[in-house]
Amino acid sequence: DAKTTQPTSMDCAEGRAANLPCNHSTISGNEYVYWYRQIHSQGPQYIIHGLKNNETNEMASLIITEDRKSSTLILPHATLRDTAVYYCIVREQTNTDKLIFGTGTRLQVFP
Amino acid sequence: DGGITQSPKYLFRKEGQNVTLSCEQNLNHDAMYWYRQDPGQGLRLIYYSQIVNDFQKGDIAEGYSVSREKKESFPLTVTSAQKNPTAFYLCASSSYGTGQYFGPGTRLTVL
Repeated sequence: DAKTTQPTSMDCAEGRAANLPCNHSTISGNEYVYWYRQIHSQGPQYIIHGLKNNETNEMASLIITEDRKSSTLILPHATLRDTAVYYCIVREQTNTDKLIFGTGTRLQVFP
Repeated sequence: DGGITQSPKYLFRKEGQNVTLSCEQNLNHDAMYWYRQDPGQGLRLIYYSQIVNDFQKGDIAEGYSVSREKKESFPLTVTSAQKNPTAFYLCASSSYGTGQYFGPGTRLTVL
């Protein structure tokens, strides 16, 4: 079973920030939070990951609460091409470890 | 360009036939994975391999087989023992500290 809980769907206006929440209340101390997204009929794309500090890259920002029980993925200026299913996953950072995908959040960006 | 390739993109087979899906990566990643995705669902792990000539079963390995003779290649065979083989199949690879990088997927339809 997935260790995370996400809303089934969200809408966002183009150009606005999209804030996607994720609950992971049972996360352990050595588990990272990973975010992927999957555009329709394509393979998932890695977005960002973090342990306890906030992270930012060219795609998004990841805000992790101090107790690490939840996090938020932020797309600062959503575009129509950001319409996708977003998956939040917790896992240990090892050479190999299976990713347990839940059903994710379907983000719809509208004009 | 570095990346993961899967071929073919679409595959049709008659019921009872074995079929092999190709996955190649030139990212020099040690680990490779095969996932299956059904409509509206998240990904489920079939098999994974940490190193050449070694692989482990995932959550839904029954009816599938793999080989890892080369670091770059991880083909998946869908056998006639797989009761419901029609699905979207995704291959991925990773190394320590990276997220998993996914290929474009193969959509298999069994007639």
